[in-house]
Amino acid sequence: SQQGEEDPQALSIQEGENATMNCSYKTSINNLQWYRQNSGRGLVHLILIRSNEREKHSGRLRVTLDTSKKSSSLLITASRAADTASYFCATGETSGSRLTFGEGTQLTVNP
Amino acid sequence: GAVVSQHPSRVICKSGTSVKIECRSLDFQATTMFWYRQFPKQSLMLMATSNEGSKATYEQGVEKDKFLINHASLTLSTLTVTSAHPEDSSFYICSAPELRGPNTGELFFGEGSRLTVL
Repeated sequence: SQQGEEDPQALSIQEGENATMNCSYKTSINNLQWYRQNSGRGLVHLILIRSNEREKHSGRLRVTLDTSKKSSSLLITASRAADTASYFCATGETSGSRLTFGEGTQLTVNP
Repeated sequence: GAVVSQHPSRVICKSGTSVKIECRSLDFQATTMFWYRQFPKQSLMLMATSNEGSKATYEQGVEKDKFLINHASLTLSTLTVTSAHPEDSSFYICSAPELRGPNTGELFFGEGSRLTVL
């Protein structure tokens, strides 16, 4: 099965609510990253967390990493309609190596 | 962040023709680029790693004679889909890694190329 499984597959919330997406992986990693993709577009990097880090913040984003459980979560606080997109986690086994992407979570934020 | 430009963004071709997709790093040198493929509502699947000045490394199951990759300079990698068939219709995305600094490992993506083979 694929490295990087995410849940939920789809999430629909109201503007202002928080959105939490989870990612699990199978092998040892150097880093885990979260990306956003608007429909039909390329991916935009959101945040990178290294295996020796447990939590990282960037604006309204909060990422946690639990290497003992091989899992990560992405929290988007105070969501906006413009946050509607697909969100992917991706793992790198070494620094600068290729990334393996999860299945993604389709987030819909209703105005 | 760094900019990766991909061209064309959309291409429609007849079955049997070849299509070339270009991926350029605009403000940095990319010794390595990654080519991904994405089917509708699915994740990105790595096809190959493009290395400047040497042969590309293909993932298992990806036909290297079908998907020709050339990385002739530090700013340009090309993917040519040869003798395209309808099943090759997909969204192809290139990316280049950040190799220095605190965000080493971050990928910069092109905007993708949607290929439709009739």
